[in-house]
Amino acid sequence: DTAVSQTPKYLVTQMGNDKSIKCEQNLGHDTMYWYKQDSKKFLKIMFSYNNKELIINETVPNRFSPKSPDKAHLNLHINSLELGDSAVYFCASSQGAGFDEQFFGPGTRLTVL
Amino acid sequence: SQQGEEDPQALSIQEGENATMNCSYKTSINNLQWYRQNSGRGLVHLILIRSNEREKHSGRLRVTLDTSKKSSSLLITASRAADTASYFCATDARDDKIIFGKGTRLHILP
Repeated sequence: DTAVSQTPKYLVTQMGNDKSIKCEQNLGHDTMYWYKQDSKKFLKIMFSYNNKELIINETVPNRFSPKSPDKAHLNLHINSLELGDSAVYFCASSQGAGFDEQFFGPGTRLTVL
Repeated sequence: SQQGEEDPQALSIQEGENATMNCSYKTSINNLQWYRQNSGRGLVHLILIRSNEREKHSGRLRVTLDTSKKSSSLLITASRAADTASYFCATDARDDKIIFGKGTRLHILP
């Protein structure tokens, strides 16, 4: 059973489009995260939700909007996609909201043309 | 600015040799974690070391932490082809946010 799953695995789209990435965890964790990994492998946190409540919201364009319908899901919606949004997006989860071990999903490679 | 910086950026060694990677950070921490990322995959947690610990072992992994030098090292003994991956250190910065370094790309040569 996959612990943290993301869909889709690959996403190729045109500039200006709106797209969503879905994430689900079956670990019973309270906290979920979205990370962006650029072409140089630098991993940066974007958002964190604890029990469906937003607790971390880094300096991210407001074109990015996370949504947590329940504790097990954290989706990422991106409006008006730009070339610079091309990256690999990782979802992760952890038991608590502190510095707990994080479990990562397989990633979604987004390519904006 | 980034909290953790791994060194070296890339490392190639022969299978069977030991691999050592270092992580330096700027501000005080409570904990430090090491993660591995295989190509095309998500990160996998390897080990967590707390600020009051100096050394920790897990199988072929040995992690040290020197809070006076603000640095940590990850040693992989008797390396295997399967150890080829990128290795990241992660530290807890302000507000309990986890901050990842840029990683060390380790390549094990047959």
